[in-house]
Amino acid sequence: AQTVTQSQPEMSVQEAETVTLSCTYDTSENNYYLFWYKQPPSRQMILVIRQEAYKQQNATENRFSVNFQKAAKSFSLKISDSQLGDTAMYFCAFMKHDGSNMLTFGGGTRLMVKP
Amino acid sequence: DGGITQSPKYLFRKEGQNVTLSCEQNLNHDAMYWYRQDPGQGLRLIYYSQIVNDFQKGDIAEGYSVSREKKESFPLTVTSAQKNPTAFYLCASSKLVSSTDTQYFGPGTRLTVL
Repeated sequence: AQTVTQSQPEMSVQEAETVTLSCTYDTSENNYYLFWYKQPPSRQMILVIRQEAYKQQNATENRFSVNFQKAAKSFSLKISDSQLGDTAMYFCAFMKHDGSNMLTFGGGTRLMVKP
Repeated sequence: DGGITQSPKYLFRKEGQNVTLSCEQNLNHDAMYWYRQDPGQGLRLIYYSQIVNDFQKGDIAEGYSVSREKKESFPLTVTSAQKNPTAFYLCASSKLVSSTDTQYFGPGTRLTVL
């Protein structure tokens, strides 16, 4: 079974600064996907970014980028130029590439962006 | 607009009652999922379905039931056998034969047992 661990329950960052959220996972699979989802106070889960394990290049989406270290089983999220609207819970998630599309979530990191 | 809808947004239940949470999608996605979220915690999978008239248990299926009579609909019933049903419930859907394999989520239903 897969496990996903987010070791930072809460973090804060000043507006316009950069913050990195950590995620580690445990799996014996070689082919899989990793995701970061954002859950703002509205509680809607919003996909932030995804990474295919077979790709060495780190995924980026505008101000969001990841540092994927496959050997270390680490998948951190960097948010650049933080904005007040980035305040949310952030969840790291793992998906095996077996056709089931089942996600395993970490416990989340609550991020507060301060003005 | 394409998307996933869940209703109701808030639901109150008396102990011993069954309640059904609705989830509908018009994204033509093959797979649908139900998750439970407790305060300050991540999501846990209750049930999922990859095809009409077929579904599988997730990690915490006890006390829940589902049906998948139509591709676009995947209702979840919280039965009286679920001992601690107060939680936030999220429905999701995804394609199964595409390069994206991403799950998209509905807005959720907050269930409170009185």
